[in-house]
Amino acid sequence: AQSVTQPDIHITVSEGASLELRCNYSYGATPYLFWYVQSPGQGLQLLLKYFSGDTLVQGIKGFEAEFKRSQSSFNLRKPSVHWSDAAEYFCAVGGKAAGNKLTFGGGTRVLVKP
Amino acid sequence: GAVVSQHPSWVICKSGTSVKIECRSLDFQATTMFWYRQFPKQSLMLMATSNEGSKATYEQGVEKDKFLINHASLTLSTLTVTSAHPEDSSFYICSARARWASLETQYFGPGTRLLVL
Repeated sequence: AQSVTQPDIHITVSEGASLELRCNYSYGATPYLFWYVQSPGQGLQLLLKYFSGDTLVQGIKGFEAEFKRSQSSFNLRKPSVHWSDAAEYFCAVGGKAAGNKLTFGGGTRVLVKP
Repeated sequence: GAVVSQHPSWVICKSGTSVKIECRSLDFQATTMFWYRQFPKQSLMLMATSNEGSKATYEQGVEKDKFLINHASLTLSTLTVTSAHPEDSSFYICSARARWASLETQYFGPGTRLLVL
């Protein structure tokens, strides 16, 4: 069965500092990996996705993620955080072997200090 | 493009009543729609997958008689919570897979918050 672990429940960063959110997955075949952001009381917005090819993926809002097969990881990064980046971030895995259903991690809540 | 709406955004109902939540793909045809449930400070849990014109497929542990899903057209899916109870209070989010997009891409609605008194 597929699963996603986001080890950090909360992360607090200062505005302008860099941010890295960890994501580890378990999947028996070629994974499709996603990062979504959820603002309070809102639905999910896709930040970026990895299907194949270049393992460093660029997304919206200045985010990027790197797929490392050997570590079963897909960590999300942003060089300089803005106050508007405060939100909940979810990593998800899916793929053909799972009928293209998504399995989400527990989420990481990011707080941004002024 | 690829906008998904949900209606209502908020609903409060009395215990024992039924509540219908609509999920619409506004600018594309959705071959498949998904319904998720999210409890406070928790992740999204897939409840069911619905394909247009066919019965929904429910995840293990989800009562299909409790959560009725209808996917009557390529742009509309509805989730009806029947005989709602306080434990059904949650944030319900739908997503849609576009006909033209890769199978893995889902577009999410803004969610519906249900409070059962």
